[in-house]
Amino acid sequence: GENVEQHPSTLSVQEGDSAVIKCTYSDSASNYFPWYKQELGKGPQLIIDIRSNVGEKKDQRIAVTLNKTAKHFSLHITETQPEDSAVYFCAASILTGGGNKLTFGTGTQLKVEL
Amino acid sequence: DAMVIQNPRYQVTQFGKPVTLSCSQTLNHNVMYWYQQKSSQAPKLLFHYYDKDFNNEADTPDNFQSRRPNTSFCFLDIRSPGLGDAAMYLCATSRGEGLLYEQYFGPGTRLTVT
Repeated sequence: GENVEQHPSTLSVQEGDSAVIKCTYSDSASNYFPWYKQELGKGPQLIIDIRSNVGEKKDQRIAVTLNKTAKHFSLHITETQPEDSAVYFCAASILTGGGNKLTFGTGTQLKVEL
Repeated sequence: DAMVIQNPRYQVTQFGKPVTLSCSQTLNHNVMYWYQQKSSQAPKLLFHYYDKDFNNEADTPDNFQSRRPNTSFCFLDIRSPGLGDAAMYLCATSRGEGLLYEQYFGPGTRLTVT
């Protein structure tokens, strides 16, 4: 089955700096890669996603890049703010049984310090 | 405005006493998923429904069952909870139709087993 590795497990940055989180996946059949933000005690919230036919996608301060050949994808957050502090999960997805099975990375605890 | 609703938000049950968690959605999505998330870990897919078709993950224990009486509702039944089943249970929904669509998560139900 799919295996997703995520690094780093914790990341501390100063407000205004950039943050980068990296993931690798193992199954070349995966073709959808979402990123979720999870705040304490809440469900994951989709912040950006990318499909395998696209190499890069940007939404305001957030961008994601995908290298299908190397099987890795990254999340970039610019101009970080304290409210960006949360756990971030990457995921890789394949179609199965009519739905899409998400395999999550192990998560990155991002802390944005004032 | 809540799109994926989970009840209750917190559930305490006794060791071995059956418990049911519920999920409802206002998105009219045909796929509903149940994930288990243990403390400081990534969400792990237990099973999903594509319309009325049930898709179980190979490593989901038999102790976990699910029902989907209609498009809007889905239930997670834990027949004999053990201490190791204490976790956050997340419900998610997505469109299906053979394509990869984003998943929307509910706020989760925190299950405690005493």
